[in-house]
Amino acid sequence: GAVVSQHPSWVICKSGTSVKIECRSLDFQATTMFWYRQFPKQSLMLMATSNEGSKATYEQGVEKDKFLINHASLTLSTLTVTSAHPEDSSFYICSARSGTSAINEQFFGPGTRLTVL
Amino acid sequence: QQQVKQSPQSLIVQKGGISIINCAYENTAFDYFPWYQQFPGKGPALLIAIRPDVSEKKEGRFTISFNKSAKQFSLHIMDSQPGDSATYFCAASVKTSGSRLTFGEGTQLTVNP
Repeated sequence: GAVVSQHPSWVICKSGTSVKIECRSLDFQATTMFWYRQFPKQSLMLMATSNEGSKATYEQGVEKDKFLINHASLTLSTLTVTSAHPEDSSFYICSARSGTSAINEQFFGPGTRLTVL
Repeated sequence: QQQVKQSPQSLIVQKGGISIINCAYENTAFDYFPWYQQFPGKGPALLIAIRPDVSEKKEGRFTISFNKSAKQFSLHIMDSQPGDSATYFCAASVKTSGSRLTFGEGTQLTVNP
């Protein structure tokens, strides 16, 4: 199956700093990428949908100025958590969907564990 | 209307037994129903998926049963193994809505040896 990578796999930062997480589709072109947040023992919550070359669409309640998403190429999307605070500590997961896919299948990355001190 | 309800929240099965996880949905526009398996600290991995024009799909030990009229679908894991111990999520999406996945709450499966 298609492979999606994330970098870094984990990051610890101080409160007030910004953190960038990269999501790459390694062997296919991802016209659409999705960013999720998952708290311990909970389900995945969709934060935003990004299409290559256009602005991301954020879910209700997600601050677009705090969670900056850039989908500059067909293989790379980035999520920047700006002015991070301890409540932003979570597991962030991206997924990617091929534009050529006839079905709705999404391929998930391994996730990034963010800890804000 | 976008919710997907999943049960049970946790499940304990003996090795060799059958694990059954159920999901129900409201949005009749959903046209894709995947199941994901997630191990601690990892991203979810697609296990098996079904479209509403099929009532059952089997892949190895994993089977999805789909009941369109009842708006329910379930995952059956036959001959459950300790290595199947993980969290399982059902999901649903609509292709015309950009394939955004709506996830169930998850089921923590433990298979005892």
